[in-house]
Amino acid sequence: GENVEQHPSTLSVQEGDSAVIKCTYSDSASNYFPWYKQELGKGPQLIIDIRSNVGEKKDQRIAVTLNKTAKHFSLHITETQPEDSAVYFCAVPVIGGSQGNLIFGKGTKLSVKP
Amino acid sequence: DADVTQTPRNRITKTGKRIMLECSQTKGHDRMYWYRQDPGLGLQLIYYSFDVKDINKGEISDGYSVSRQAQAKFSLSLESAIPNQTALYFCATSVGGEQFFGPGTRLTVL
Repeated sequence: GENVEQHPSTLSVQEGDSAVIKCTYSDSASNYFPWYKQELGKGPQLIIDIRSNVGEKKDQRIAVTLNKTAKHFSLHITETQPEDSAVYFCAVPVIGGSQGNLIFGKGTKLSVKP
Repeated sequence: DADVTQTPRNRITKTGKRIMLECSQTKGHDRMYWYRQDPGLGLQLIYYSFDVKDINKGEISDGYSVSRQAQAKFSLSLESAIPNQTALYFCATSVGGEQFFGPGTRLTVL
């Protein structure tokens, strides 16, 4: 079945620096790659996603890049701010069977120091 | 008002007790999920339901059961709680691939 690995598990940056989180997946049929942000005391929330027909997608200070050949995708946050501090999860869809379900990475705790 | 609500938000119970966690949604989505979150382990799927008559086990269903009372309601039960079920539990709905999570229930089993 599908497997997703997320790195690093923790990331500390200075305010204004960039942060990059990477996920690798195993099933080459995967075609949808979302990133979720979980703030303290809340449930995860979708912040950006990409589909397999594009290589990069941007939304203000966040971007996701996809390398289908290498089977990895990354979240990029530029000009980090303290409110970016949270746990970030990547996910990939289950292929076949229970389509529509997601398999989540183990999360990256991002700390942005003022 | 929140689209996905969970009750209770916090619960402390003792080993062997029966516990029910409730989830309600106003999004009108057919698909609903229960996840468990432990530090460093991400989100693990317990059960999911694609509609009122369709309930399926996830990767860690042992020790848990669910009930889909209506399209809007999906409950998770621990028949006999044990300490290693201490965790943060999330309910979610989905449509078009995106999942919408509730605020979570923090459960402690002593």
